Amino acid sequence: GQNIDQPTEMTATEGAIVQINCTYQTSGFNGLFWYQQHAGEAPTFLSYNVLDGLEEKGRFSSFLSRSKGYSYLLLKELQMKDSASYLCASEAFSGGYNKLIFGAGTRLAVHP
Amino acid sequence: GAVVSQHPSWVICKSGTSVKIECRSLDFQATTMFWYRQFPKQSLMLMATSNEGSKATYEQGVEKDKFLINHASLTLSTLTVTSAHPEDSSFYICSARTAANTEAFFGQGTRLTVV
Repeated sequence: GQNIDQPTEMTATEGAIVQINCTYQTSGFNGLFWYQQHAGEAPTFLSYNVLDGLEEKGRFSSFLSRSKGYSYLLLKELQMKDSASYLCASEAFSGGYNKLIFGAGTRLAVHP
Repeated sequence: GAVVSQHPSWVICKSGTSVKIECRSLDFQATTMFWYRQFPKQSLMLMATSNEGSKATYEQGVEKDKFLINHASLTLSTLTVTSAHPEDSSFYICSARTAANTEAFFGQGTRLTVV
């Protein structure tokens, strides 16, 4: 089966650091994606982890522990424009294809 | 990154009519395209996976006769919502990837409103 859990909402202050956690139970797991989605828009790619450890890309970092079924997205030096939904998605090989299964998303509100 | 173009970006149609949504990969060949539906404040729900030249694979609970998917070429997939009803009103998003890409590229999405 496939199940992905992440917090529904989070708030943070401009300039601060925020960590968004994601746990997953995925059959045929291949990797873990993080996407950013602003209201009414399509998701945009942030990161992809396939091996355990931390991947850093500018203000955004993502961590994966395959043994624990756990990932987090770390956002540093928060800006107002970072207010968006952050989607955790696991890639699973199922039915002959690699598919992305999305979590419900975490709505992040950044305030001054 | 690669570009996926989805058209139209929004459409309003009458109940009982059909609507076609196109998804094109502009600068790469997409052997596989995915169609998602997203209701307000909810996550993307995978509807079906389409491969060029073969029948689409639908997720459980998605009516294949209502949501017709055609993947006629390596750069074009279409989703037709047949006999649309107000409950079909949603945000429909396609994504595409090649075997070489780890990243899935998303179209801009289509907001469908059935009145």
